[in-house]
Amino acid sequence: GQQVMQIPQYQHVQEGEDFTTYCNSSTTLSNIQWYKQRPGGHPVFLIQLVKSGEVKKQKRLTFQFGEAKKNSSLHITATQTTDVGTYFCAGPGGGSYIPTFGRGTSLIVHP
Amino acid sequence: NAGVTQTPKFQVLKTGQSMTLQCAQDMNHNSMYWYRQDPGMGLRLIYYSASEGTTDKGEVPNGYNVSRLNKREFSLRLESAAPSQTSVYFCASSPGTAATNEKLFFGSGTQLSVL
Repeated sequence: GQQVMQIPQYQHVQEGEDFTTYCNSSTTLSNIQWYKQRPGGHPVFLIQLVKSGEVKKQKRLTFQFGEAKKNSSLHITATQTTDVGTYFCAGPGGGSYIPTFGRGTSLIVHP
Repeated sequence: NAGVTQTPKFQVLKTGQSMTLQCAQDMNHNSMYWYRQDPGMGLRLIYYSASEGTTDKGEVPNGYNVSRLNKREFSLRLESAAPSQTSVYFCASSPGTAATNEKLFFGSGTQLSVL
């Protein structure tokens, strides 16, 4: 079945440093979604990318969808303590329309 | 507008006990989902319901049953709880059918411990 791999599992940064998490799928994705989960909270939708090579920005967050629609990345510029949490990618693929979630990247920001 | 409401928030069970996790959404969404979250494992789909009256198995359905009672409510039942079912359970909903790949709205979760 479809697998969605996400790396790294954890990332420690000093406040102000940049952060990137990568998502790779074993199958072509019709779209990719990104979610953020604060510690003790629930996942909250951030964005959805649909087109090959698509790039979207939300303030300091930049999301990319690969040309082959099998990989994606989330980049945060100049991290802040409010960015702390776990970031998940999710995408349907392999003939299913149900999104499969990656295992997430936990971002820890040290002030 | 409460969104997706899950009850209870916390539950402790003994092995072999049964319980039902309740979920309701007030956004008139068609699709509803149950996920479990374990440390380092991400979110794994247990069951989903693409529309009222239909349910389908996800990645990890063994040991669970579901009921889509009406458009608003989607319950998850553990018939005979096992320690391996200790987890955080999230209910989610999406506006259209699952085929439209719309964003998921999550409830606040149920932390379940099975001793």
